[in-house]
Amino acid sequence: EPEVTQTPSHQVTQMGQEVILRCVPISNHLYFYWYRQILGQKVEFLVSFYNNEISEKSEIFDDQFSVERPDGSNFTLKIRSTKLEDSAMYFCASSEMSRVGIVFFGQGTRLTVV
Amino acid sequence: GIQVEQSPPDLILQEGANSTLRCNFSDSVNNLQWFHQNPWGQLINLFYIPSGTKQNGRLSATTVATERYSLLYISSSQTTDSGVYFCAVVSGAGSYQLTFGKGTKLSVIP
Repeated sequence: EPEVTQTPSHQVTQMGQEVILRCVPISNHLYFYWYRQILGQKVEFLVSFYNNEISEKSEIFDDQFSVERPDGSNFTLKIRSTKLEDSAMYFCASSEMSRVGIVFFGQGTRLTVV
Repeated sequence: GIQVEQSPPDLILQEGANSTLRCNFSDSVNNLQWFHQNPWGQLINLFYIPSGTKQNGRLSATTVATERYSLLYISSSQTTDSGVYFCAVVSGAGSYQLTFGKGTKLSVIP
């Protein structure tokens, strides 16, 4: 069964450093998303991306964050200068054009900022 | 924005027991999904169910959109059912943003 793949599974970074989280969405999907989950809390929407541009973004997705689809398969989330409060599980997700309401999630990247 | 409330927040079951998890939402929805977050943190799709009833093995779900709630039924629970169950909805024209509830943490004990 096709799945959304994220790398790395865990990342530890120092405060102030830049991190890039990578995702390979399901191949025929055209809508891409990033969500995050702070430990013990609910999953929160960050951003959606379609046709090479941001469709929606939440208040969390400030100027420190950016997304990119650098090639035909990868989708990345960059955090420019990490803060302690950026520590969370980050989920990439995707959905297809004909069934955009059904969203499939990757296994997550656990980011720890120290 | 739309509010999503799940109950109960915690549930402990003996293996083999049945359970019902509830999700209430504050506005009309275009999409509703149920997810299971396993102990490794992975979000597993269970159902896409903006309305009606669906069944998949021991799990079934019902959404009554007009009354703004959804129910997830787990029958003959197994230890592997343990984890957190999330309800997530999309509301609003042209939006594909999922809003999650806080989840129900299920522990199935042998």
